[in-house]
Amino acid sequence: KAGVTQTPRYLIKTRGQQVTLSCSPISGHRSVSWYQQTPGQGLQFLFEYFSETQRNKGNFPGRFSGRQFSNSRSEMNVSTLELGDSALYLCASSLFAGTTEAFFGQGTRLTVV
Amino acid sequence: AQTVTQSQPEMSVQEAETVTLSCTYDTSESDYYLFWYKQPPSRQMILVIRQEAYKQQNATENRFSVNFQKAAKSFSLKISDSQLGDAAMYFCAYRSGGSGGSNYKLTFGKGTLLTVNP
Repeated sequence: KAGVTQTPRYLIKTRGQQVTLSCSPISGHRSVSWYQQTPGQGLQFLFEYFSETQRNKGNFPGRFSGRQFSNSRSEMNVSTLELGDSALYLCASSLFAGTTEAFFGQGTRLTVV
Repeated sequence: AQTVTQSQPEMSVQEAETVTLSCTYDTSESDYYLFWYKQPPSRQMILVIRQEAYKQQNATENRFSVNFQKAAKSFSLKISDSQLGDAAMYFCAYRSGGSGGSNYKLTFGKGTLLTVNP
């Protein structure tokens, strides 16, 4: 059974650009959550999707957005990139919202220059 | 809001010995879950062990066990017979156990970097 797949693995963007990251959950999983990991702030919750609906959102500016498709794949978008957006973005999938076990992907390393 | 604190930024252990990583948390909820995740250099977060707050018995997974002290809001991880492959960043995490509209996000501590010396 394939695990959580995040693409791309690495990304370099320029300030002011926008970026889209993709996450394919484990087959059959319907819940996807996104986290930002930085050395200074640690791991912070971005948002959670279940059945194409955003259930919860963390404390991030509106430049961060996401969506989930009918096949449970999820994308997150960051517009008008800032240097501080440089981070490892992790996606986690669960069978359902509230399932205690979340499986993580290997993340996308975003560098903003 | 819930908070998770890991007071040991770094720890080291000799191969085959035992090490304990500390974690404390703060919550006003009675129903919740606690987790230890491992993040090796490959960056993928791997679930090591989980504990349901309503269970008094401490969780155990092979060489990994926890000491869950609910009243003290403490959740430490003990790694026995440490192996070189145990070297990684370890994160303690909290999740609400509520249903319905509850936020199921994971709240993480800052992590403890574990080094295993041969």
